[in-house]
Amino acid sequence: GESVGLHLPTLSVQEGDNSIINCAYSNSASDYFIWYKQESGKGPQFIIDIRSNMDKRQGQRVTVLLNKTVKHLSLQIAATQPGDSAVYFCAETGFQKLVFGTGTRLLVSP
Amino acid sequence: GAVVSQHPSRVICKSGTSVKIECRSLDFQATTMFWYRQFPKQSLMLMATSNEGSKATYEQGVEKDKFLINHASLTLSTLTVTSAHPEDSSFYICSAKREDSNQPQHFGDGTRLSIL
Repeated sequence: GESVGLHLPTLSVQEGDNSIINCAYSNSASDYFIWYKQESGKGPQFIIDIRSNMDKRQGQRVTVLLNKTVKHLSLQIAATQPGDSAVYFCAETGFQKLVFGTGTRLLVSP
Repeated sequence: GAVVSQHPSRVICKSGTSVKIECRSLDFQATTMFWYRQFPKQSLMLMATSNEGSKATYEQGVEKDKFLINHASLTLSTLTVTSAHPEDSSFYICSAKREDSNQPQHFGDGTRLSIL
């Protein structure tokens, strides 16, 4: 299930389940969106991106969906594995600067 | 492999000390680098954009005299936290823009700064 912690929402899933992480972005002028994975004590790692002229993009085990009408982005991870446990951030950009969302912690139990 | 190297990965020092953090782009030139700050369980907040050969552009609320940025070469940007105090303790992350990459920025692995 999903819960809201002090600062970071947490999504707990079982290994093998599909995970869906959501993000609401703020700037309707943003035209490029990225999902990052951050493991403890490390910098963000690029997962997948999508431009505003698309509403869906698929990668290996990951899919990003973009709904510009409600300014919503989601990341779907298929067959979630323990190694997917991390904090996931969406980021938006219109020019050069990246603006990060609040993040979601994904916990995968075996 | 890593394309951006950050050093040191961790530093602990006394209040009042100035601390320098290095961010290097490996095997590519970066005219633009970025410095972020991240508090525990929170998101990354952009502090400043580092431009090679010119002054850094600071975000609103970030003290430029407190956080000195130098981007003297195309592969190195440094962030110096001057006269650091406990409230400056945080995770500092740099990134670099690589022109031939499909990614907007490549991130270093961060520096954990602890001020006693």
